Amino acid sequence: QSALTQPASVSGSPGQSITISCTGTSSDVGAHNYVSWYQQHPGKAPKVMIYDVSNRPSGVSDRFSGSKSGYTASLTISGLQTEDEANYYCSSYRSSSAPWVFGGGTRLTVL
Amino acid sequence: QVQLVQSGAEVKKPGASVKVSCKASGYIFTRNGISWVRQAPGQGLEWMGWISGYSGNTNYAQRLQGRVTMTTDTSTSTAYMELRSLRSDDTAVYYCAREPLGGVYYFDYWGQGTLVTVSS
Repeated sequence: QSALTQPASVSGSPGQSITISCTGTSSDVGAHNYVSWYQQHPGKAPKVMIYDVSNRPSGVSDRFSGSKSGYTASLTISGLQTEDEANYYCSSYRSSSAPWVFGGGTRLTVL
Repeated sequence: QVQLVQSGAEVKKPGASVKVSCKASGYIFTRNGISWVRQAPGQGLEWMGWISGYSGNTNYAQRLQGRVTMTTDTSTSTAYMELRSLRSDDTAVYYCAREPLGGVYYFDYWGQGTLVTVSS
């Protein structure tokens, strides 16, 4: 069982927007603004899309955005494109002996 | 450009050990920490531990304590992860991932992954 809770799957049509949630606790998501989101295509390494809740690394499309409220972080992808179809994982840093936790992942299908 | 290049796939028998390497280039190795993350087939990501590129200090996930050792060789800018007493549920793709500088907490570069298969 993963430490952070994500929906197993979401879907959308090209051009639409979707949001993926990531729920943690007061020890991780609720404690810091150190939530990051990773995109993983089959057989590939994860790629960071959002860090520190809402920051985009250089080169990541502005169609990707992040937010947080309380113990739940969210990743929103607007203007869905077929290449966005992938697995998405949230992660949170926490001040403990095990500093990194991940969500179980969400499979995004672009119909 | 920053690159993390990992060693090739391994097949091991239960009870054996495996050592995976992660050679860094394109940055000063001693300035960043490296975490190891694994992914069992069809499953999510699991953080295994972290090593400082500067001091060699480590922090391991509790469930792997006693079976995992992470080391670095600063002369070759390479990080290593050794896992002992392998079990079938250790079958996974193992990734090294770099943590950037500057008080931000995420993984900015990842290795390509190393598949470790544990099977009798």
